[in-house]
Amino acid sequence: QSALTQPASVSGSPGQSITISCTGTSSDIGGYTYVSWYQQHPGKAPKLMIYDVTKRPSGVSNRFSGSKSGNTASLTISGLQAEDEADYYCCSYAGSSTLVFGGGTKLTVL
Amino acid sequence: EVQLVESGGGLVQPGGSLRLSCAASGFTFSSYAMSWVRQAPGKGLEWVAAISGSGGGTYYADSVKGRFTVSRDSSKNTLWLQMNSLRAEDTAIYYCAKDLTMVRGAQALDYWGEGTLVTVSS
Repeated sequence: QSALTQPASVSGSPGQSITISCTGTSSDIGGYTYVSWYQQHPGKAPKLMIYDVTKRPSGVSNRFSGSKSGNTASLTISGLQAEDEADYYCCSYAGSSTLVFGGGTKLTVL
Repeated sequence: EVQLVESGGGLVQPGGSLRLSCAASGFTFSSYAMSWVRQAPGKGLEWVAAISGSGGGTYYADSVKGRFTVSRDSSKNTLWLQMNSLRAEDTAIYYCAKDLTMVRGAQALDYWGEGTLVTVSS
């Protein structure tokens, strides 16, 4: 149950697009189509943004999209807005009804 | 509206025990798996434990296996986390979260509570 690997930080200007990567192994990301992404603002609970690699929950902006290739998943945010500044965490099913999170990525909107 | 409200956190000495509760409302509690996720101060999220909708399946992170026990009572719409043999490294905000799966023990967490702080210190 080793944590998934994310970059510590990414940044972008308003209107730009950014991509956050999340690298795991064949035992988690590579083995299942159950990757999810969470947004967390300071002092707040996490919020589900993407599930099952590419699906968006109702109410989540279509500026958020997910993808996966091999053992690496990615979250792309297009048309960056100031309110997107937050921490983002990837998460993958890891078999036997367990989950594993990434270390988190701090997104700064310049 | 789905609501999850955690309680039971506090200060406990190393080696001690604590029982967290999560009161759920706004959905058919017995149909969905539930998880506990923690976040140490200034750190990332760590999945701790999950329980199937029926309560028949329980699953744990290696870091808490044998020390923590997750349970649920659908008649009370309540989830619990019994934490024994607590260590300093268990200090964290503990979140209760609803899973969107009705089949597996864990898949993705679509609703979260606001969390309860557990501090393990002498």
